[in-house]
Amino acid sequence: EVQLVESGGGLVQPGGSLRLSCAASGFTFSSYWMHWVRQAPGKGLVWVSRINSDGSSTSYADSVKGRFTISRDNAKNTLYLQMNSLRAEDTAVYYCARWEVGATTGLGYWGQGTLVTVSS
Amino acid sequence: DIQMTQSPSSLSASVGDRVTITCQASQDISNYLNWYQQKPGKAPKLLIYDASNLETGVPSRFSGSGSGTDFTFTISSLQPEDIATYYCQQYDNLFGGGTKVEIK
Repeated sequence: EVQLVESGGGLVQPGGSLRLSCAASGFTFSSYWMHWVRQAPGKGLVWVSRINSDGSSTSYADSVKGRFTISRDNAKNTLYLQMNSLRAEDTAVYYCARWEVGATTGLGYWGQGTLVTVSS
Repeated sequence: DIQMTQSPSSLSASVGDRVTITCQASQDISNYLNWYQQKPGKAPKLLIYDASNLETGVPSRFSGSGSGTDFTFTISSLQPEDIATYYCQQYDNLFGGGTKVEIK
């Protein structure tokens, strides 16, 4: 069974840093591109970042470029999101999601999300 | 930059009604358009990929169409369990603003 479990969320002050993790199991993690998507309380989905299967290529939303870094450790089956210079507007539930390969294209599996609150 | 405009932002319909949601891209995105369903407190679920392909296990009352800049998502006969917010997504990044579907 495919499972994605996020962790690392919490309360952080503006300007602070946090690292989110997404532990993957039930599939060959190193074969899939992975994404982070966030959702502010009561708001819509916002794509944040993606990384290719071997970690050599990344992409970011303009709103987080230069502050967030996506990475992965295929030996540990774990995806990361390093978040620096956090702002109040970064407050959201952060989801990791798997981009499907083969016949389906899309974010086919999602974690349950981890809440990041940026506040003094 | 591509913009995705989804409408309406919310709608209320009766059980059995046909429900239609539109998503418009600011430039041609071919058929690179996915639709997701998100129920309260849950992670999103992929329903439609490549504009018109039904994900495995998704009921056939859900459908999608369109290409280029204009896309449509349809629930042919609304069921109580379809109460959710629906999002379009341009390929692997930008999401539309969402459409909250409620029962009248």
